Amino acid sequence: QVQLQESGPGLVKPSETLSLTCSVSGVSISSFYWSWIRQSAGKGLEWIGRIYASVGTNYNPSLKSRVTMSVDASKNQLSLNLLSVTAADTAVYYCARDKGYYDSSNSFYLYSDVWGRGTLVTVSS
Amino acid sequence: QSVLTQPPSVSGAPGQRVTISCTVKSSNIGAGYDVHWYQQFPGAAPKLLIYGNTNRPSGVPDRFSGSRSGTSASLAITGLQAEDEAAYFCQSYDTSLRIAMFGGGTKLTVL
Repeated sequence: QVQLQESGPGLVKPSETLSLTCSVSGVSISSFYWSWIRQSAGKGLEWIGRIYASVGTNYNPSLKSRVTMSVDASKNQLSLNLLSVTAADTAVYYCARDKGYYDSSNSFYLYSDVWGRGTLVTVSS
Repeated sequence: QSVLTQPPSVSGAPGQRVTISCTVKSSNIGAGYDVHWYQQFPGAAPKLLIYGNTNRPSGVPDRFSGSRSGTSASLAITGLQAEDEAAYFCQSYDTSLRIAMFGGGTKLTVL
């Protein structure tokens, strides 16, 4: 059974770096794509970005200048770093496993089939 | 830029059928874009409900179904139950920019 668990500081000061880890069990982290998604209180879901076995990343253009994702295959963990945070970055952060497929026109799609429980990060001084 | 638009809320009585729409407005998502749907209860993580427009993962009741036509996708729930009261989000993928995006979410209220 695939399980994901996010961890990291629950409180980060403005202008500092938000750093989170996602521990994966039940599957090799090197075999799948992985996404980070966040959700502000009472708001919708915001896709932060995706990584595949440290080979490639894709980031939300609105966050791209501040986001870094990485994979530690030896620990089966993902990491997310978000620089220069503000109150607007306060949210529940989720990691998720992504599965991919090609449709009939050979377009490639990904969907998130397993999610972690999420971790709340508050940005405040 | 891509936008997925959902109604903020829908409601229905137990036993009824409700549909939630997801309209795509994008220059990068092709006519054959695929849509996925997630269900989220308060305080919980989203759960995959439908992928690839119409496919249900194992364990999802067949009361939930998805469809796509033109620039819109829909999630239908038949035989509405009180336990279906949740938020529902659609998601698609910009195959050119290789980024995912979510609709704003729809809150389903079971009357």
